[in-house]
Amino acid sequence: KNQVEQSPQSLIILEGKNCTLQCNYTVSPFSNLRWYKQDTGRGPVSLTIMTFSENTKSNGRYTATLDADTKQSSLHITASQLSDSASYICVVGVGGSYIPTFGRGTSLIVHP
Amino acid sequence: EAGVVQSPRYKIIEKKQPVAFWCNPISGHNTLYWYLQNLGQGPELLIRYENEEAVDDSQLPKDRFSAERLKGVDSTLKIQPAELGDSAVYLCASSSGGTVDEQFFGPGTRLTVL
Repeated sequence: KNQVEQSPQSLIILEGKNCTLQCNYTVSPFSNLRWYKQDTGRGPVSLTIMTFSENTKSNGRYTATLDADTKQSSLHITASQLSDSASYICVVGVGGSYIPTFGRGTSLIVHP
Repeated sequence: EAGVVQSPRYKIIEKKQPVAFWCNPISGHNTLYWYLQNLGQGPELLIRYENEEAVDDSQLPKDRFSAERLKGVDSTLKIQPAELGDSAVYLCASSSGGTVDEQFFGPGTRLTVL
């Protein structure tokens, strides 16, 4: 069964600090991995997309890494801002299928 | 470019009442998805359309849920009758296909069933 596990479930950090969110997956065949940011009351917005051959992708202060051998990904947020408070969802695309597998998300709260 | 549009944004109904949600995808996107998202959970696929054809609907509770995309553009998701457990956020997403098939999500409709 295809699964995506995210950790931690929730995280509280101070403004300006860095943090790293984890995503482990058991999806086969692997197609791509995406990180989405979902603000409260809004739909998910794509941050990064990585295919099998990519091991890092940046979008401003967000940097995602992918280790296809260990089936792990991380999302690193640098110099956090209050607006980074949101849920971050890891989504893994399945080869040959248009239906990706979603993680439950990590809820991040950035305090001033 | 306008994103995925959904309406209404919020809906409160009593159980056993019908409810409908509307979605207009990004122009040119042939693939449309309806997802259900419970609090603290990731989205769960209900149905996927390729143009006007429903190609993945195995997770749609067909006894009370129905969906249509008659002209292959906008779509409607209906629940009749609604139950207390249907309270959730209903997300619509669209994509243009291709190797990566990035999905773009709408803001969602938050349904509360009393």
